[in-house]
Amino acid sequence: NAGVTQTPKFRVLKTGQSMTLLCAQDMNHEYMYWYRQDPGMGLRLIHYSVGEGTTAKGEVPDGYNVSRLKKQNFLLGLESAAPSQTSVYFCASSYLRLVNEQFFGPGTRLTVL
Amino acid sequence: TQLLEQSPQFLSIQEGENLTVYCNSSSVFSSLQWYRQEPGEGPVLLVTVVTGGEVKKLKRLTFQFGDARKDSSLHITAAQPGDTGLYLCAGEKSSGYALNFGKGTSLLVTP
Repeated sequence: NAGVTQTPKFRVLKTGQSMTLLCAQDMNHEYMYWYRQDPGMGLRLIHYSVGEGTTAKGEVPDGYNVSRLKKQNFLLGLESAAPSQTSVYFCASSYLRLVNEQFFGPGTRLTVL
Repeated sequence: TQLLEQSPQFLSIQEGENLTVYCNSSSVFSSLQWYRQEPGEGPVLLVTVVTGGEVKKLKRLTFQFGDARKDSSLHITAAQPGDTGLYLCAGEKSSGYALNFGKGTSLLVTP
């Protein structure tokens, strides 16, 4: 099993450009999450999904959109990138049982110039 | 609003020393998790504690959940360079799907 994979690993954008980050998991998890990690800020939740076709906003959703058309995939889109979106983005998934133990991908390092 | 406060923020020690990292909150959590993150990688789950007062041991790591389920600690005995990394605590509230992460404790263990 590959677990949680993310593509791409690195990306540089210019202000105003758009892009989509792809997250895939092969553990048949219902729940998937997108976080951003910035120095001194910790992990902050952008959006999450509790099942195929459903998404919800997290703590910092502005400037991002998501889609979960297939259970194994969770896409994060930036329609018009801004320098404030320079960050490391992590995807995670979980199979909610008694507790929400999350499995993380390796991250995507995004720089917006 | 940061629900979970971790201390210290940074810790640099020598191999063989003991250390304790704290994770505190004014909120009650249904469970609390500890993750370790190495540079360039995603966080990896170390342990989950669920019951107030619970103590779990993972080799040289000892995790404790406070009696009131508002705080937790991680104690490492005889630290090794392989323990170097960012330690994150994350609390789960019974009312939601998301985890609340602390900002982390960055640990450096030198030989």
